[in-house]
Amino acid sequence: AQKITQTQPGMFVQEKEAVTLDCTYDTSDPSYGLFWYKQPSSGEMIFLIYQGSYDQQNATEGRYSLNFQKARKSANLVISASQLGDSAMYFCAIPSNYQLIWGAGTKLIIKP
Amino acid sequence: DGGITQSPKYLFRKEGQNVTLSCEQNLNHDAMYWYRQDPGQGLRLIYYSQIVNDFQKGDIAEGYSVSREKKESFPLTVTSAQKNPTAFYLCASSSGGNLYGYTFGSGTRLTVV
Repeated sequence: AQKITQTQPGMFVQEKEAVTLDCTYDTSDPSYGLFWYKQPSSGEMIFLIYQGSYDQQNATEGRYSLNFQKARKSANLVISASQLGDSAMYFCAIPSNYQLIWGAGTKLIIKP
Repeated sequence: DGGITQSPKYLFRKEGQNVTLSCEQNLNHDAMYWYRQDPGQGLRLIYYSQIVNDFQKGDIAEGYSVSREKKESFPLTVTSAQKNPTAFYLCASSSGGNLYGYTFGSGTRLTVV
């Protein structure tokens, strides 16, 4: 069965610094994708970035990038030049049958 | 603009009552999902529907019921059989199944009083 592990319950980062959020996964599917979502205090889940298992390059979307290490089964999210608005919960997810399996999330707090 | 609308944003339920959470989408997505979120945990799937008039149980379906009479609507009823219903409920939809990610609503926070 697919499983997602996010080992950092919470992180404090100084504004403008880069931050890396960890995500490791376990899957038996040869073809899969990894999703990252942001959940601000308002509650809505916001899609950030997607990495396909066969993608040759690490995914990037603006200030978000993925450090995808397939052999280690890790897909860490990197946020460059953090901003106060980045303070939120961040979730990693992987498809399994007809649903996404979610990690427990990391609460990121950006300090001014 | 297309999106998913969940209502109400906050809902209070007395012990023994059934309550229904609304989820409406105008994205023309075939698949819709209901997830439950508890503090410090990831999302857990309650029910999902890939097509009108068809739906499947997720991992924690006990005490919940759904219907899918229209493509746009996927209401969730929390019944009195759900022993611990206090949680944050998120509705989502997707156009091509889970491989393409979801669009989420803004959620409903249900509290038992």
